[in-house]
Amino acid sequence: EVQLQQSGAELVKPGASVKLSCKTSGYTFSNYYMSWLKQMPGQNIEWIGNIYGGNGGTGYNQKFKGKATLTVDKSSSTAYMDLSSLTSEDSAVYFCARVYYDGTYYYGVMDAWGQGASVTVSS
Amino acid sequence: DIQMTQSPASLSASLGETVTIECRASEDIYNGLAWYQQKPGKSPQLLIYNANSLHTGVPSRFSGSGSGTQYSLKINSLQSEDVASYFCQQYYDYPDTFGAGTKLELK
Repeated sequence: EVQLQQSGAELVKPGASVKLSCKTSGYTFSNYYMSWLKQMPGQNIEWIGNIYGGNGGTGYNQKFKGKATLTVDKSSSTAYMDLSSLTSEDSAVYFCARVYYDGTYYYGVMDAWGQGASVTVSS
Repeated sequence: DIQMTQSPASLSASLGETVTIECRASEDIYNGLAWYQQKPGKSPQLLIYNANSLHTGVPSRFSGSGSGTQYSLKINSLQSEDVASYFCQQYYDYPDTFGAGTKLELK
């Protein structure tokens, strides 16, 4: 069974950074891309970027360049997202989600999601 | 960025009814369109990709259609477990963008 287990809720102060993790199991981590997404109440989901588990190659939404940094640890099949210089606008639920791969093609859709990690930025 | 306009924002329907949710893209997205279902407090689940391909394990009462800039999700014979929010995603062009979502409730 494919599982993506995210780290827990975070309460952080403005200006600080936070590192979220997404530990995977049930599939070959290095064969898949992992996307990260932001969901705020009442707002559209935003795609932050993705990272390839095989070599750590990344692609970012221009809006999140400088805000988010994606990395992977292949040895533990875990993806990470660093969020820096946090403000109240970064308070949201963040999801990691595996990009669908049928063995031939990578589709730009997400077929397995973590449970989400709430980040609250408050002094 | 491609803008995705989803309608309606909310929808109330009866068990057994057929419902349709629509998404309009700000430009042609060449069937690079997916639909997800999200229940309260849960993660989204992929329903449809490539505008009309049913993802593995998704009940056949769900279907997708459309082309160009106009796409729709249809749910036939509404079941109680279909109460959820639904949103579309375009992945034709970077960055991926999402619709605002449709909240489906039982009448």
